[in-house]
Amino acid sequence: NAGVTQTPKFRVLKTGQSMTLLCAQDMNHEYMYWYRQDPGMGLRLIHYSVGEGTTAKGEVPDGYNVSRLKKQNFLLGLESAAPSQTSVYFCASRKDEKLFFGSGTQLSVL
Amino acid sequence: AQSVAQPEDQVNVAEGNPLTVKCTYSVSGNPYLFWYVQYPNRGLQFLLKYITGDNLVKGSYGFEAEFNKSQTSFHLKKPSALVSDSALYFCAVRDSRGGSARQLTFGSGTQLTVLP
Repeated sequence: NAGVTQTPKFRVLKTGQSMTLLCAQDMNHEYMYWYRQDPGMGLRLIHYSVGEGTTAKGEVPDGYNVSRLKKQNFLLGLESAAPSQTSVYFCASRKDEKLFFGSGTQLSVL
Repeated sequence: AQSVAQPEDQVNVAEGNPLTVKCTYSVSGNPYLFWYVQYPNRGLQFLLKYITGDNLVKGSYGFEAEFNKSQTSFHLKKPSALVSDSALYFCAVRDSRGGSARQLTFGSGTQLTVLP
């Protein structure tokens, strides 16, 4: 039982490059989330999805896009990376008021 | 709007002593309150939640938290700390009246260090 799996675990980008972070869950959860974690700021919600084919903006959506084409997958895209997007990104799914997190992606934008 | 505050960035406690990690919140309606723990290079793990009922909530690894409505607090406690409890702890809240996505607001985290 893998739970929530994020790929890649580490990535270094140059300013202006694009990339996609993949989140996969095998628990058949409807709700999925993308957060970023920055020192001293806790977790901030980027985008979320309440089911296959749906997405919505969270607290800090600018510079990111998402897609939920299949229930088990939630993709986070950066079209033109900026140094301000250097962070640790966490995906989570939710069931019964409990969040299940992936192990994170550490992204550095130079 | 909803918010949560963890007033201490760092808490140090000796092994075997009781520990408390503080959390206060603000919501318009009734709160749903949570504690999550993060070990190094790992994602967050659920510890416990308060939805309704008994103000003292028991969770994983011997942790408990007390909901205090008058003080708008939800402090995390453990009677006897272990070195293995050293981690980053996050309090989170959402308004019970929230929409279908029920977004949580997380605190900034408290680093707990248990000294041997």
